[in-house]
Amino acid sequence: NAGVTQTPKFRVLKTGQSMTLLCAQDMNHEYMYWYRQDPGMGLRLIHYSVGEGTTAKGEVPDGYNVSRLKKQNFLLGLESAAPSQTSVYFCASSAGQEGQPQHFGDGTRLSIL
Amino acid sequence: GQNIDQPTEMTATEGAIVQINCTYQTSGFNGLFWYQQHAGEAPTFLSYNVLDGLEEKGRFSSFLSRSKGYSYLLLKELQMKDSASYLCAVMDSNYQLIWGAGTKLIIKP
Repeated sequence: NAGVTQTPKFRVLKTGQSMTLLCAQDMNHEYMYWYRQDPGMGLRLIHYSVGEGTTAKGEVPDGYNVSRLKKQNFLLGLESAAPSQTSVYFCASSAGQEGQPQHFGDGTRLSIL
Repeated sequence: GQNIDQPTEMTATEGAIVQINCTYQTSGFNGLFWYQQHAGEAPTFLSYNVLDGLEEKGRFSSFLSRSKGYSYLLLKELQMKDSASYLCAVMDSNYQLIWGAGTKLIIKP
């Protein structure tokens, strides 16, 4: 019972490099989300998707892009990594919005040097 | 602006009861969630309140007062495995979750 799977689990990048974080869910959920979690702060929404082929900006979208080509996958891209993007990134999915809990992956710990 | 406040850290004794408070100011309200997050792990869903009152689920209960912008999570018969951070999150008028910074709960024997 995999749920939400994120890859990679850890990554170290140099400033200016690019990378893609992968998220896959096997619960047939319509909604998917990318968050970042920083010390002393609540989870902050980067981008989200309400269905295959759709994406929308969250609270902190600058410096990130996303794609949802398949219902089960949600990709987060960093085009030119900056030290301010050092964080723990969580992907989540939910069956709906109202009253539906979000289910989280184990996170990707990303360091930008 | 939107704001969720909860204490940064709390300490309690194994076998005791602890109440973790959460106050919120958001643009609209479509429910309040509590999550548990062990260090280095993913948040996991604990409870959901959308109407005023108490929701009980085993050793955990969650209370909501919409008029006061207030919720609490009550943990009974504390066990060492309950040592974790507890996150309060409110769904706003756009159905987006606004998260508190979390309360780190330390359980002592």
